[in-house]
Amino acid sequence: DTAVSQTPKYLVTQMGNDKSIKCEQNLGHDTMYWYKQDSKKFLKIMFSYNNKELIINETVPNRFSPKSPDKAHLNLHINSLELGDSAVYFCASSRSGGRVYEQYFGPGTRLTVT
Amino acid sequence: DAKTTQPTSMDCAEGRAANLPCNHSTISGNEYVYWYRQIHSQGPQYIIHGLKNNETNEMASLIITEDRKSSTLILPHATLRDTAVYYCIVRVDQGGKLIFGQGTELSVKP
Repeated sequence: DTAVSQTPKYLVTQMGNDKSIKCEQNLGHDTMYWYKQDSKKFLKIMFSYNNKELIINETVPNRFSPKSPDKAHLNLHINSLELGDSAVYFCASSRSGGRVYEQYFGPGTRLTVT
Repeated sequence: DAKTTQPTSMDCAEGRAANLPCNHSTISGNEYVYWYRQIHSQGPQYIIHGLKNNETNEMASLIITEDRKSSTLILPHATLRDTAVYYCIVRVDQGGKLIFGQGTELSVKP
């Protein structure tokens, strides 16, 4: 069974459109994340949710809005897509608590904005 | 900014041990060292982590110097499937934020 899954795997769209990427984890984790990997391969965290509450919100344009309907899901909605949004987006999950736990990543969604 | 420094790339012969170094001279006493890797076109994969003591699991060993300013990830018998970018990460807070540096691109060659 896939631990962290993302849909779609590939997404090609035009500038100005609105799109969503979905993420689901079946590990029973209560913290989920979104990361962005740009063309230079740098991975950077965008958001983190713990028990459906936002706990990390890096400097991300407000066109990006994460939504967590429950602990197992964290979706990423992007409004008014721009060329610079083209990247691979990774979802991840982990346990939380006093210790710092390892994160499990999904396979990624390659977004291409034309 | 990442708090770690790693060589940009390394080569290793198949079947030999791969030793990947990492400098983290500004690490704090309660910060863990984590290693992840990213095989081409896949999501990052957790490998191992440690605080002070050396650690070993089914994937690798982690050697942390006594002053904790550097560490080495050891893949004891590298295979072609270990070709990947390896990231050394020092955790910065309890919020779960992983700060990835540039990593080391390891090429395992036949």
